Amino acid sequence: QQPVQSPQAVILREGEDAVINCSSSKALYSVHWYRQKHGEAPVFLMILLKGGEQKGHEKISASFNEKKQQSSLYLTASQLSYSGTYFCGKGGSQGNLIFGKGTKLSVKP
Amino acid sequence: DAGVIQSPRHEVTEMGQEVTLRCKPISGHNSLFWYRQTMMRGLELLIYFNNNVPIDDSGMPEDRFSAKMPNASFSTLKIQPSEPRDSAVYFCASTRQQTGNTIYFGEGSWLTVV
Repeated sequence: QQPVQSPQAVILREGEDAVINCSSSKALYSVHWYRQKHGEAPVFLMILLKGGEQKGHEKISASFNEKKQQSSLYLTASQLSYSGTYFCGKGGSQGNLIFGKGTKLSVKP
Repeated sequence: DAGVIQSPRHEVTEMGQEVTLRCKPISGHNSLFWYRQTMMRGLELLIYFNNNVPIDDSGMPEDRFSAKMPNASFSTLKIQPSEPRDSAVYFCASTRQQTGNTIYFGEGSWLTVV
């Protein structure tokens, strides 16, 4: 039941864009995106609750396609501070959260 | 406001010893989660509680693992006996039970079993 993330890793230069995808074989009630820096706890980015919903957070935004059971995280004009591992979480009907294995993003100067 | 508080932050123990990890959720939150993170398996949900009641413990790897939540402000995760493969970061997280609520993580307990 773990959502599948792709790619597993991506390396960017500052200013470049990236897309991280998250898909599930079963219905997604909600999608949560978190970022974790090395040695720290995961930090909340955003939640998408409805199919078709899109949200933005600075230059980071996400979409949720309920029909396809997919969500995508868009990072535009990446900054060094965006480096970290991004996790999507699949929200369950009882409020639990199952995470994918993460996408490691490295932004180089 | 205080966040989720975990202790100890770091623990090194010998194989076979009992390990107890502690968590204080954010005041007013009624759902609590224990996650384990390793390089190989990522962030795994071990168990979660709603209103102090365990709802799903299917992620608990073996009988050596047990978790309790005696009241709304305290939870423990116990490993007895510990094994080297239990070495990982254990995160506690909490939220108000409601679909779509933000889940807040503690800083984690880094466990090394030698």
